[in-house]
Amino acid sequence: DAGVTQSPTHLIKTRGQQVTLRCSPKSGHDTVSWYQQALGQGPQFIFQYYEEEERQRGNFPDRFSGHQFPNYSSELNVNALLLGDSALYLCASSLVGLAGGFEQYFGPGTRLTVT
Amino acid sequence: AQSVTQLGSHVSVSEGALVLLRCNYSSSVPPYLFWYVQYPNQGLQLLLKYTTGATLVKGINGFEAEFKKSETSFHLTKPSAHMSDAAEYFCAVSEPGTYKYIFGTGTRLKVLA
Repeated sequence: DAGVTQSPTHLIKTRGQQVTLRCSPKSGHDTVSWYQQALGQGPQFIFQYYEEEERQRGNFPDRFSGHQFPNYSSELNVNALLLGDSALYLCASSLVGLAGGFEQYFGPGTRLTVT
Repeated sequence: AQSVTQLGSHVSVSEGALVLLRCNYSSSVPPYLFWYVQYPNQGLQLLLKYTTGATLVKGINGFEAEFKKSETSFHLTKPSAHMSDAAEYFCAVSEPGTYKYIFGTGTRLKVLA
């Protein structure tokens, strides 16, 4: 049973460029969340996708956008990259039931460096 | 607003000693609480979670945590540290009806031989 996979593993971009990160959820999961983890910090919630819609968003500018496909995989897009966008980007998948308290399974992350 | 505070960004213990990692949270409603571990260059792995019911929660690798509502705490413990426990540990909170986790800034655990 494959867990959460992310691609690419590492990425180097220049300020002002655009980047797309990809995530495949754990088998059977229908919900994908994205987090940004700056060096020495805890992960910060960017947004969550469910049924191909953005369901909740954290305090990130509109330069951060996403998409979820019918097979539940997801993309994170960041436009007009800034040096401060350098971070580890984590994808987490879950199967959100009615009871809440859902477990999120994290992928290994994509390390983005902006120069 | 939800928040998580992890006291001690770095904790060192001797192999075989008690591990205690502290987590305090702020939430307007009874929250869901989680502990995750992150090894170098890897994603986060769930150690344990508290949703409802028994306040003492047992997780993987011998870790456990106790939810104390009066103290708004969810400290992580392990009776005897092992070298393989060296990693970064994150406490997280989620409120019912929301979908995001709020993470603390993490505690890096070092185990001394």
